Amino acid sequence: GNSVTQMEGPVTLSEEAFLTINCTYTATGYPSLFWYVQYPGEGLQLLLKATKADDKGSNKGFEATYRKETTSFHLEKGSVQVSDSAVYFCALILNTGTASKLTFGTGTRLQVTL
Amino acid sequence: DTAVSQTPKYLVTQMGNDKSIKCEQNLGHDTMYWYKQDSKKFLKIMFSYNNKELIINETVPNRFSPKSPDKAHLNLHINSLELGDSAVYFCASRQQGSSYEQYFGPGTRLTVT
Repeated sequence: GNSVTQMEGPVTLSEEAFLTINCTYTATGYPSLFWYVQYPGEGLQLLLKATKADDKGSNKGFEATYRKETTSFHLEKGSVQVSDSAVYFCALILNTGTASKLTFGTGTRLQVTL
Repeated sequence: DTAVSQTPKYLVTQMGNDKSIKCEQNLGHDTMYWYKQDSKKFLKIMFSYNNKELIINETVPNRFSPKSPDKAHLNLHINSLELGDSAVYFCASRQQGSSYEQYFGPGTRLTVT
């Protein structure tokens, strides 16, 4: 089956530190990959995505590159801010038509302090 | 304008009761979903509807019954609530043939006492 593995959290960083959240996947096919972010008390928002190998998704200073050879989609940001504190979910989806569904990782909580 | 909305935002009820959660999207999407997020933040799909037809049913107890009166609405009715049903329930929608991006509602926190 399909699965997504994320690093355990929480991740605690000082403001302006470099962020990496690891994500690896297992899929029967060629998935599209996503990072979603959930701020406290809110629903999930799409942060970035990549649909094929070597694609780089980027948004709000965050980046992730679709690495087929290592089946990874690690999230990075060069300088985090307190406002980045949230739970980050890696997810994949395979194109199976109307039955396509997102498979999520367990989420990684990021806490950024001053 | 709210893209995906859910009501209520909070729901506290006793074991054995029956309750409903409503979801509406104004994005013109043809596919809607229900997800359950447990206390450890793990997200799992429950149901998916495409053009009012049930497409995905992820071995959810039959106490849970989704209903889609039209493409813009997907409601979730839960019978005989149990303590283990306490969670945050998220509705989402997307348009088939798009880039698979799903738009999520703000969630409904259900607490069963």
